[in-house]
Amino acid sequence: DAGVTQSPTHLIKTRGQHVTLRCSPISGHKSVSWYQQVLGQGPQFIFQYYEKEERGRGNFPDRFSARQFPNYSSELNVNALLLGDSALYLCASSLLDKNYGYTFGSGTRLTVV
Amino acid sequence: AQSVTQLDSQVPVFEEAPVELRCNYSSSVSVYLFWYVQYPNQGLQLLLKYLSGSTLVESINGFEAEFNKSQTSFHLRKPSVHISDTAEYFCAVTWMDSSYKLIFGSGTRLLVRP
Repeated sequence: DAGVTQSPTHLIKTRGQHVTLRCSPISGHKSVSWYQQVLGQGPQFIFQYYEKEERGRGNFPDRFSARQFPNYSSELNVNALLLGDSALYLCASSLLDKNYGYTFGSGTRLTVV
Repeated sequence: AQSVTQLDSQVPVFEEAPVELRCNYSSSVSVYLFWYVQYPNQGLQLLLKYLSGSTLVESINGFEAEFNKSQTSFHLRKPSVHISDTAEYFCAVTWMDSSYKLIFGSGTRLLVRP
């Protein structure tokens, strides 16, 4: 079975641009979470979606938004990119809304120049 | 505030030596505890977890961790490391009052030398 898949794997954007990152959860998993990992740090929680509803949001500005589709895939959108948004963005999926052990994807490496 | 502390940013060790990676968290309220491993340019892989039951949990590749409620710790140990264990290790905690999210420590780089 396929694991959590994320696309693209890498991308480079210019300050002020908009970016959309995509995530497909493991088949049957209804929860998708997004994390930001800045180089040299642990991942930071951004969002969790379960059954297409936002269940939690981390301490990120409104420039960050997300949604979950009927097939449980998800998008993370970031507007007005800043240099500090450069990071590895990780998607995680789980069967339920509570965390009993998320499965992470390989991430999208975003570089803002 | 809920936080996870990994005091050692890097742990160098020789191959076949034992290792302990330390993890402490801020509160003894009901928690789930996790260790993840990250190899270069990859995502996170779940190494082991404590949800309930026995306080000693083991992974398939020889790592173990023990939940110590009184000391709010969840240290990771391996009696004999291999070169292939070189990676970044993250301790993470889910608190029951916010059971949808993980809070990660800053990570410990395990560097195994021949």
